[in-house]
Amino acid sequence: DIQLTQSPSFLSASVGDRVTITCRASQGISSYLAWYQQKPGKAPKLLIYAASTLQSGVPSRFSGSGSGTEFTLTISSLQPEDFATYYCQQLNSYPLFTFGPGTKVDIK
Amino acid sequence: EVQLVESGGGLVQPGGSLRLSCAASGFTFSSYSMNWVRQAPGKGLEWVSYISSSSSTIYYADSVKGRFTISRDNAKNSLYLQMNSLRAEDTAVYYCACGRSWFDPWGQGTLVTVSS
Repeated sequence: DIQLTQSPSFLSASVGDRVTITCRASQGISSYLAWYQQKPGKAPKLLIYAASTLQSGVPSRFSGSGSGTEFTLTISSLQPEDFATYYCQQLNSYPLFTFGPGTKVDIK
Repeated sequence: EVQLVESGGGLVQPGGSLRLSCAASGFTFSSYSMNWVRQAPGKGLEWVSYISSSSSTIYYADSVKGRFTISRDNAKNSLYLQMNSLRAEDTAVYYCACGRSWFDPWGQGTLVTVSS
């Protein structure tokens, strides 16, 4: 089974900060990775798929990169509405999907 | 508007059964694979089950295999999850989510609590 780890697990940042979250896979998954944002009490929202493709309607301050085993989600200038938990998901072992453990982005 | 609405959650005793439903609207449901994903209180996301558009391909996470059954009725634009032999560790919000790879959209979730 492919395992995903995320770092950091918790991040404290200020509005306007550049934020980077890393997702690592236990084996190569090419570009088969997605990123989701989840706010408390809400369903997850797709941000990025295929490692770097921005989902329609998602602000351009979000970007994704990477391939193989290491991936990053970057928020170029953190906004108040971006405080949330972020999850990566590997799509390589379709349809046995796996999510990362999550990274909570909190207000400093 | 594309929408998924789950229902059927509630309180059930250990060993009991529950059937969740997910009603789809605003898109051609019969063309899309669907999934169930759950989230235990305060925990991360766990994929539970997958069903292809025609129901020809079905998969389960090891944690629910043999206890849960996913199905769909394309004529009713509906997805189901029959949950049997429920355990305390099945307590979670259950989401339906559309997609063969990345998941979009998601429903709002329905809470299942397994407790005596």
